[in-house]
Amino acid sequence: AQRVTQPEKLLSVFKGAPVELKCNYSYSGSPELFWYVQYSRQRLQLLLRHISRESIKGFTADLNKGETSFHLKKPFAQEEDSAMYYCALRIQGAQKLVFGQGTRLTINP
Amino acid sequence: DAGITQSPRHKVTETGTPVTLRCHQTENHRYMYWYRQDPGHGLRLIHYSYGVKDTDKGEVSDGYSVSRSKTEDFLLTLESATSSQTSVYFCAISPGTANTGELFFGEGSRLTVL
Repeated sequence: AQRVTQPEKLLSVFKGAPVELKCNYSYSGSPELFWYVQYSRQRLQLLLRHISRESIKGFTADLNKGETSFHLKKPFAQEEDSAMYYCALRIQGAQKLVFGQGTRLTINP
Repeated sequence: DAGITQSPRHKVTETGTPVTLRCHQTENHRYMYWYRQDPGHGLRLIHYSYGVKDTDKGEVSDGYSVSRSKTEDFLLTLESATSSQTSVYFCAISPGTANTGELFFGEGSRLTVL
């Protein structure tokens, strides 16, 4: 079965420190991975996708098929990064996304 | 916001009563989704639709039904609400003719079942 696991429900770091939000997936085919973010009082929105290999708001994520991981990283956290983050998996040929449990990131001043 | 609105935004109801949540979109997108958001479970897909009268079940569809009689509206019905259905419900659309993985979400509907 397809599954996305985010092992950390809560993550707290200080401003300026590096951040890594972990995401592991289980899927037998060729996965497409995404990170979504929900800031306070805002809609859930796409942050980045592995296909585009882009950096959004200083965040990057690399798909590691050997470790079945798609960890989200940022070298220097900012207070405005505090939010709920979800990793998501699109199954090839399916018209839906499977989400992980989410990680609430808090950046302390 | 991709023209998505959900109603009602907040609702409190009693166990055993039927509840209908509405998702309305203004841009004629083909794919629409209903998710529920719960602490510790993240977002879980309830039902989705790939066109008028075309719907399919997600991973947590028991106790829920959906209808899509026109492109712009996707209704989620709790036939007999239970306390376990207390949650925040999100509607989402996928732009274009296929789900590319980019979803646009509504603001959410917070449902409390007493």
